[in-house]
Amino acid sequence: DQQVKQNSPSLSVQEGRISILNCDYTNSMFDYFLWYKKYPAEGPTFLISISSIKDKNEDGRFTVFLNKSAKHLSLHIVPSQPGDSAVYFCAARSGWGQNFVFGPGTRLSVLP
Amino acid sequence: NAGVTQTPKFQVLKTGQSMTLQCAQDMNHEYMSWYRQDPGMGLRLIHYSVGAGITDQGEVPNGYNVSRSTTEDFPLRLLSAAPSQTSVYFCASSSGTGLKLFFGSGTQLSVL
Repeated sequence: DQQVKQNSPSLSVQEGRISILNCDYTNSMFDYFLWYKKYPAEGPTFLISISSIKDKNEDGRFTVFLNKSAKHLSLHIVPSQPGDSAVYFCAARSGWGQNFVFGPGTRLSVLP
Repeated sequence: NAGVTQTPKFQVLKTGQSMTLQCAQDMNHEYMSWYRQDPGMGLRLIHYSVGAGITDQGEVPNGYNVSRSTTEDFPLRLLSAAPSQTSVYFCASSSGTGLKLFFGSGTQLSVL
């Protein structure tokens, strides 16, 4: 049973509009969350993170929101650009070290 | 500064063959790990190491061995390859206090 879920396998958005990628988790012990972006034939690259003591973290065009009571986080990209087209992974850590549980990913396509 | 380097990029094996996937990092990171990526499954942790001489199992360790004789290198060994090990393998590293994983570009392995 997946502890980290990304229920939308794919998402298409027009350039300049907002992209919202969602992630749900089941383990209430998760205390730190990351978003990674992956281009084809490359390794995942870090995008943004959030600690469970916060409900929002912003970095340029990227904002992550955390709703602990709903065990839900989302990544907002505003404005979306064609270069944002990639697979986005949500990852969560359960309290120690650097072992993360990853979701299955959402493929974002930003259309010009 | 190369970051995390994985070799080879592609490999085809026959069932029962053995091989070693190489991973090296030049960031002096204590933590290193191996993940496999399968369609619809996200990245799953195979083995990890918190320092030279220390390794431990992740979520899916069966069929894989690791060792960590130096800080820089963390090879992954398949002793007797099986078709179920067909996957894309990623090596990652992180500093002892960091919560951000740095990934290599991956090894695509096919076992026939």
